[in-house]
Amino acid sequence: ETGVTQTPRHLVMGMTNKKSLKCEQHLGHNAMYWYKQSAKKPLELMFVYSLEERVENNSVPSRFSPECPNSSHLFLHLHTLQPEDSALYLCASQLERAGFAEAFFGQGTRLTVV
Amino acid sequence: GESVGLHLPTLSVQEGDNSIINCAYSNSASDYFIWYKQESGKGPQFIIDIRSNMDKRQGQRVTVLLNKTVKHLSLQIAATQPGDSAVYFCAEKDTGFQKLVFGTGTRLLVRP
Repeated sequence: ETGVTQTPRHLVMGMTNKKSLKCEQHLGHNAMYWYKQSAKKPLELMFVYSLEERVENNSVPSRFSPECPNSSHLFLHLHTLQPEDSALYLCASQLERAGFAEAFFGQGTRLTVV
Repeated sequence: GESVGLHLPTLSVQEGDNSIINCAYSNSASDYFIWYKQESGKGPQFIIDIRSNMDKRQGQRVTVLLNKTVKHLSLQIAATQPGDSAVYFCAEKDTGFQKLVFGTGTRLLVRP
């Protein structure tokens, strides 16, 4: 257990559905991330929240919408996804401080878009 | 631009042998490097880290070596065990921003 919890672990959704992924940490971290992990590709950084404010969005399609209501919770809202969005979505949290950047990952949500 | 790459996608070793997983990076401004292990069905887990002012760091059965001259990072696992079978990722952090850039990963297979 890393202290970062993601729900659900598995999700199958149709292209017209709306769903949300949830991430929770009680480690006292002040930064949270969403990563996408596809087969044979590097972990792709999607969104970064630092002190609850979004600081980076790597040109992710608008069908992915993040929300960070407080420093312990992070959501990824999904709507009108495409089959190529099927992947493992990983949440990570981090304590931002000079010189350290270890990120703690959740176990991920395996998303299948049908 | 930034890139972190791994030399080999799959590494097969005999149980009990030592394993060496390599990683190349291109951002000379990176000042911190991490190795993660990802087992099937799980998220990446921290193994060991090293700062750019160090060349070597040892943990329990693992050693990370950093060669800044050629921008190369390696993870050495001593006496590899079946439980070491996983995908291993290196990640780098550039100075001033906490973002981690990950490589594609190397799958380590341990033969009994």
